[in-house]
Amino acid sequence: AQSVTQPDIHITVSEGASLELRCNYSYGATPYLFWYVQSPGQGLQLLLKYFSGDTLVQGIKGFEAEFKRSQSSFNLRKPSVHWSDAAEYFCAVGRNRDDKIIFGKGTRLHILP
Amino acid sequence: DSGVTQTPKHLITATGQRVTLRCSPRSGDLSVYWYQQSLDQGLQFLIQYYNGEERAKGNILERFSAQQFPDLHSELNLSSLELGDSALYFCASSVASGGAGELFFGEGSRLTVL
Repeated sequence: AQSVTQPDIHITVSEGASLELRCNYSYGATPYLFWYVQSPGQGLQLLLKYFSGDTLVQGIKGFEAEFKRSQSSFNLRKPSVHWSDAAEYFCAVGRNRDDKIIFGKGTRLHILP
Repeated sequence: DSGVTQTPKHLITATGQRVTLRCSPRSGDLSVYWYQQSLDQGLQFLIQYYNGEERAKGNILERFSAQQFPDLHSELNLSSLELGDSALYFCASSVASGGAGELFFGEGSRLTVL
């Protein structure tokens, strides 16, 4: 079965600094990969997704992620964070387009002013 | 606003009781998913329905059941409630039979079992 690991439970960065959130997946073939964001008191919103093709994927709110098959990773990045980016971020994986989505345990991002 | 509506937003009940959580998917979406979010377990997939039929089952307890009605809304029934069932329950919908397109999440139903 596929699984997702987000090794960092909490990350704190200063406003304006760059960000990288780590995600590792376990699955034999190329999975469908996602990053979702959950703001306080809200449901989850899709930031970006990767199915195939270019391994660098652009998403909403200035986020991007890079798929690295050799490292089984799909890390999320942003060049300069804003205070409004404080939220919880979830990496997720599906085996194919018809499969359920399995989520990692999330990384809570804190922003210092 | 994702277009997914969940009711109630908050629910407080006692151990041993039964509750029903309701979800209305986005207009046109045929799939409904239920997830349970707790501090220790994270976001756990419970069950998925597609156009009225059960499509996939995850870590759903036997005390829990769900269904999707002909109008595509879904209900999650939780019975013989235990303290550990306290959690945020999310419903999500998608147009496809799987989640590989995009899942649209409701704001959740927060269940507190006392």
